[in-house]
Amino acid sequence: SQQGEEDPQALSIQEGENATMNCSYKTSINNLQWYRQNSGRGLVHLILIRSNEREKHSGRLRVTLDTSKKSSSMLITASRAADTASYFCATDLYNFNKFYFGSGTKLNVKP
Amino acid sequence: DTAVSQTPKYLVTQMGNDKSIKCEQNLGHDTMYWYKQDSKKFLKIMFSYNNKELIINETVPNRFSPKSPDKAHLNLHINSLELGDSAVYFCASSQLGLANTGELFFGEGSRLTVL
Repeated sequence: SQQGEEDPQALSIQEGENATMNCSYKTSINNLQWYRQNSGRGLVHLILIRSNEREKHSGRLRVTLDTSKKSSSMLITASRAADTASYFCATDLYNFNKFYFGSGTKLNVKP
Repeated sequence: DTAVSQTPKYLVTQMGNDKSIKCEQNLGHDTMYWYKQDSKKFLKIMFSYNNKELIINETVPNRFSPKSPDKAHLNLHINSLELGDSAVYFCASSQLGLANTGELFFGEGSRLTVL
């Protein structure tokens, strides 16, 4: 299937450390997005990277995209306890406007 | 102002019942979605409407019937509820097209528990 798959499923780090999570997908995409979900809440958009881009930054987020490997990674630098959440990547099929998600990476940042 | 709002937030019901979840967005977006998040947090697209027209139906049982009275509203009606329908249902909206990124705006979710 097309959905993005995040790796690792769970990640536990200390405050101040960097967190890296990965996303793999199966077919050509138009763009790839990362979302955050706090426990019991809806998803919130973090960053989008288009298929012709290789790297994108937003605040403490750094996202890379390798279309030849069909993978993306998101780095959160200098993590904070408030970054504790689940993070999802979403891919969309070119021209189909469908957004596919995986089951996310659950990040726990210990104070 | 809540951009995408869903009601109810919690729904507990018996097997076999029929229930509805409502969604409204005030962002002026043309496209709305229903997603289902299971107990393992996997988020699966169910339906999408663009300007009141169904554009995506992801092989969802016909017990699920979406309805879009106008482009700001997308409701989900579920007939003959089954245990496996227990999940969190998310409504989302986006503004698609060449000039837009298609960023999704999600509601807070409706947790359905079927007993």
